Amino acid sequence: ETGVTQSPTHLIKTRGQQVTLRCSSQSGHNTVSWYQQALGQGPQFIFQYYREEENGRGNFPPRFSGLQFPNYSSELNVNALELDDSALYLCASSPTGGAIETQYFGPGTRLLVL
Amino acid sequence: SQQGEEDPQALSIQEGENATMNCSYKTSINNLQWYRQNSGRGLVHLILIRSNEREKHSGRLRVTLDTSKKSSSLLITASRAADTASYFCATENNAGNMLTFGGGTRLMVKP
Repeated sequence: ETGVTQSPTHLIKTRGQQVTLRCSSQSGHNTVSWYQQALGQGPQFIFQYYREEENGRGNFPPRFSGLQFPNYSSELNVNALELDDSALYLCASSPTGGAIETQYFGPGTRLLVL
Repeated sequence: SQQGEEDPQALSIQEGENATMNCSYKTSINNLQWYRQNSGRGLVHLILIRSNEREKHSGRLRVTLDTSKKSSSLLITASRAADTASYFCATENNAGNMLTFGGGTRLMVKP
């Protein structure tokens, strides 16, 4: 157990809908990153938040957005869902003040878009 | 796109044997990390090697890094059935704000 929790564990949505995924960081960690992992592939970096600001972003369109709250919990929002958004979404927290270094992953949210 | 490429994509060995996985990457890095994932669950951090290090050990794990060849290897010695999992390398960029994973090696250790 890493102390990082995610909710919900599973989610089914239809194309065009919007979804919000939540992550609670490990205590004391102020940096959170989000990843998308399609079946059979490695995780792809979506973005990183540090002190409530986006601190790095991968190659994802603007319909993927995020928030980090003062208690360092985080949300990933995806608008206008597409079938290809079906994946495991992972969040990871790290204690290293804006640098990734060692990360602690949550169990993930599995999203299915129909 | 994924910077790291693992080789092989799949590996099947007997318990007690050693398992070696390789990773290649394309751009300059701050560090390289190896992670393990069981059955589509969250990833577990195994080991981090910095760009100025060449070799690192942690228990039964040995990692090497060759920045001139932009490659790394992970060796698991005396493998156990419980080592069955997917293993991913990930490179951290110089700014420290992005981690890029490879496609992974699926390791099966037969009892």
